[in-house]
Amino acid sequence: GAGVSQSPSNKVTEKGKDVELRCDPISGHTALYWYRQSLGQGLEFLIYFQGNSAPDKSGLPSDRFSAERTGGSVSTLTIQRTQQEDSAVYLCASSFSGWGADTQYFGPGTRLTVL
Amino acid sequence: GQQLNQSPQSMFIQEGEDVSMNCTSSSIFNTWLWYKQDPGEGPVLLIALYKAGELTSNGRLTAQFGITRKDSFLNISASIPSDVGIYFCAGRTYSGNTPLVFGKGTRLSVIA
Repeated sequence: GAGVSQSPSNKVTEKGKDVELRCDPISGHTALYWYRQSLGQGLEFLIYFQGNSAPDKSGLPSDRFSAERTGGSVSTLTIQRTQQEDSAVYLCASSFSGWGADTQYFGPGTRLTVL
Repeated sequence: GQQLNQSPQSMFIQEGEDVSMNCTSSSIFNTWLWYKQDPGEGPVLLIALYKAGELTSNGRLTAQFGITRKDSFLNISASIPSDVGIYFCAGRTYSGNTPLVFGKGTRLSVIA
């Protein structure tokens, strides 16, 4: 079945470079979320898209982080001028509707390593 | 921001033993969720709780929404090797559009 997919699965980059992480949500899901999972930590909320509404960017840690969702489907998380502290697993999730829909389906994540 | 205290951080148990882990919050939550994450995968929802005092089972898993609405526990009975993974609690403080807050996880290892 078609679950949430993310690419690449692993990304190694040099400090100062920009990276783009991609998320393909489950078809028909209107809500899409990005989380960051650092080693030994829980899931840190980054950004949330719901339909055509303005995204909730309250979790983005700095202005180096941005995300867009094109056509209400695929989303790209961009990190500019990467820093070593950006190293983490970036998880994407989708659901049928907004926060009130508790069944968020997660992708396998992108492991980002900044050297 | 919101913090969830999840304990224990890790557990090593013998196959067949029962397991208990819990989550506490300084704020009142109106939803508690428990997820499991296998290596290299995203978290998968195990149980969702919506009412104080609610006790819900999913196979060998049982979770409860604490009466005070500030805590929840997850029990696993008769553990098996495939129970290995990281278990996360998550909660929401208000109904409507607020983000889930996640605990730091309990890493479970099962010794056959």
